[in-house]
Amino acid sequence: GPKVLQIPSHQIIDMGQMVTLNCDPVSNHLYFYWYKQILGQQMEFLVNFYNGKVMEKSKLFKDQFSVERPDGSYFTLKIQPTALEDSAVYFCASSSDWGGDTGQLYFGEGSKLTVL
Amino acid sequence: SQWGEENLQALSIQEGEDVTMNCSYKTYTTVVQWYRQKSGKGPAQLILIRSNEREKRSGRLRATLDTSSQSSSLSITGTLATDTAVYFCATERRYNVLYFGSGTKLTVEP
Repeated sequence: GPKVLQIPSHQIIDMGQMVTLNCDPVSNHLYFYWYKQILGQQMEFLVNFYNGKVMEKSKLFKDQFSVERPDGSYFTLKIQPTALEDSAVYFCASSSDWGGDTGQLYFGEGSKLTVL
Repeated sequence: SQWGEENLQALSIQEGEDVTMNCSYKTYTTVVQWYRQKSGKGPAQLILIRSNEREKRSGRLRATLDTSSQSSSLSITGTLATDTAVYFCATERRYNVLYFGSGTKLTVEP
């Protein structure tokens, strides 16, 4: 089936450093998302992105967070500076539409971020 | 919170048994999606059910949605060891924003 690739799969950094999580979405998908999952808890929506713009973001999407997809390359989530509470698994997803039967989200396998 | 139950639930059954997982939600929705997340993987959509469907089947899976009680269920018949995973329900908002429940950790013993 359609694949979303995430790089890196695991990153360990010191608090205060910058981190960029990369997502290679399903080919021809135009709608992109980031979700956060703390170990043993449910997935929580961070942000979605379409046509170069953030369409919706949650309270978890702090000012230190940013997303972009320059020139059709990776869809990235940047955190600068990182904080201890940013430790989590971040899942990228993409879809071909905003919802319904044609808007199914396809998730990557996650990028585990550990902030020390 | 969107959800009535906040704690991850755990079920352990034997291969071949049937199982039903439930979730309830607080805010009105017309679409509930069920996802499966295997260890170390991202979630994968299993079934999407709308408020006008009440019941939807896909292979060994059956989902129900009762908007009057704001609850949904997912049943798996003839479980396999490979069904071991965490199962989440999610409600859908505009711009495809999903609100996930806390999930049910299902272990199917071979």
